Amino acid sequence: GNSVTQMEGPVTLSEEAFLTINCTYTATGYPSLFWYVQYPGEGLQLLLKATKADDKGSNKGFEATYRKETTSFHLEKGSVQVSDSAVYFCALSDPGAGGTSYGKLTFGQGTILTVHP
Amino acid sequence: GAGVSQSPSNKVTEKGKDVELRCDPISGHTALYWYRQSLGQGLEFLIYFQGNSAPDKSGLPSDRFSAERTGGSVSTLTIQRTQQEDSAVYLCASSWKDGHSYEQYFGPGTRLTVT
Repeated sequence: GNSVTQMEGPVTLSEEAFLTINCTYTATGYPSLFWYVQYPGEGLQLLLKATKADDKGSNKGFEATYRKETTSFHLEKGSVQVSDSAVYFCALSDPGAGGTSYGKLTFGQGTILTVHP
Repeated sequence: GAGVSQSPSNKVTEKGKDVELRCDPISGHTALYWYRQSLGQGLEFLIYFQGNSAPDKSGLPSDRFSAERTGGSVSTLTIQRTQQEDSAVYLCASSWKDGHSYEQYFGPGTRLTVT
């Protein structure tokens, strides 16, 4: 079956520090990969995505590259801000055999990020 | 435009009671998903609806859970004879089309507490 593994949290950084949150996956097909973010008191929202190998998703200074050879989709940001404090979820959607899947998401366990001034 | 809405935002119920959770997807979105977010299990898929097709119920944890979607829009998730392990945040998401590359838009969730 499909699975997503994220680095254990929580992660605590000072403002302007470099961020990496590791994510690796197992899938039966060629999945699309996503990072969702949950800000305090808010719902889950898409941060970025990549739909095929070597694609780079980017948004709000965050980047992640779809690495098929290492089955990874690590999230990076060069300089974090206090406003980036949130829970980050790596997720995949596997098209399944014959591309018949419908977009069901498999999530990692989430990583809590806290950024201090 | 309006996002996905869910009601109630919080629900406290006694063990053994039935509860209904409601989801209003974004207008025009044909695909609707329910997920559950709990401390022990993380975020897990429950059920999926697409148009008039039969729903995929493969993620429902037991036969106490059921869901319906009326008129291709509003969806209701029903939990019968609630148990303490049902305590979680229930999230609804919709997408304009199903498929593995389309973004899902999530509602704020319903926090269910079973006492």
